Amino acid sequence: RKEVEQDPGPFNVPEGATVAFNCTYSNSASQSFFWYRQDCRKEPKLLMSVYSSGNEDGRFTAQLNRASQYISLLIRDSKLSDSATYLCVVKSQDYKLSFGAGTTVTVRA
Amino acid sequence: DAGVIQSPRHEVTEMGQEVTLRCKPISGHDYLFWYRQTMMRGLELLIYFNNNVPIDDSGMPEDRFSAKMPNASFSTLKIQPSEPRDSAVYFCASSLALAGVRELFFGEGSRLTVL
Repeated sequence: RKEVEQDPGPFNVPEGATVAFNCTYSNSASQSFFWYRQDCRKEPKLLMSVYSSGNEDGRFTAQLNRASQYISLLIRDSKLSDSATYLCVVKSQDYKLSFGAGTTVTVRA
Repeated sequence: DAGVIQSPRHEVTEMGQEVTLRCKPISGHDYLFWYRQTMMRGLELLIYFNNNVPIDDSGMPEDRFSAKMPNASFSTLKIQPSEPRDSAVYFCASSLALAGVRELFFGEGSRLTVL
């Protein structure tokens, strides 16, 4: 079983729509969680950390469910510029970062 | 401030040739990571260094791969001999601290094609 699993998508949504997707992780001792964004043929960049109580950053909301071992990302009022692949990242107790394969989101006009 | 700098950006080589990828981390960052990304396997950690010392190389696929960090501002990933299955994008990333804020700053990647 992979350490981090994501629905690859693609999620095709119209501008202004809300899109949400999850990521599951296998190591219950995982310590920290992040979402990275990767544009086509570019490097990954940190989008946001995920805190236990959930957190927002503008139109982006991240949630963590430790009991079920998943994290989620919700994008409200989606923009064309949100089209990207979103990578779920989990840090284990030995500080190794494991990346999911990514969820592709395409926002259409 | 300059980000992580990788070279070459693109490399096309023939099977059996030696490939050397280079990375300059962000100044002051004490962790350096080498990742490989393919469509099939996503982003895989190959090896990481702390203060120029290799900490975990369990992700290095086989003996054909080697990585060095002779000083705080330079690292290399070498593949010898290269094989077509090594074709991938190789990313170098650096960070300030592993236990604190853990943002990884990635370079633009080196796209390797082995024919």
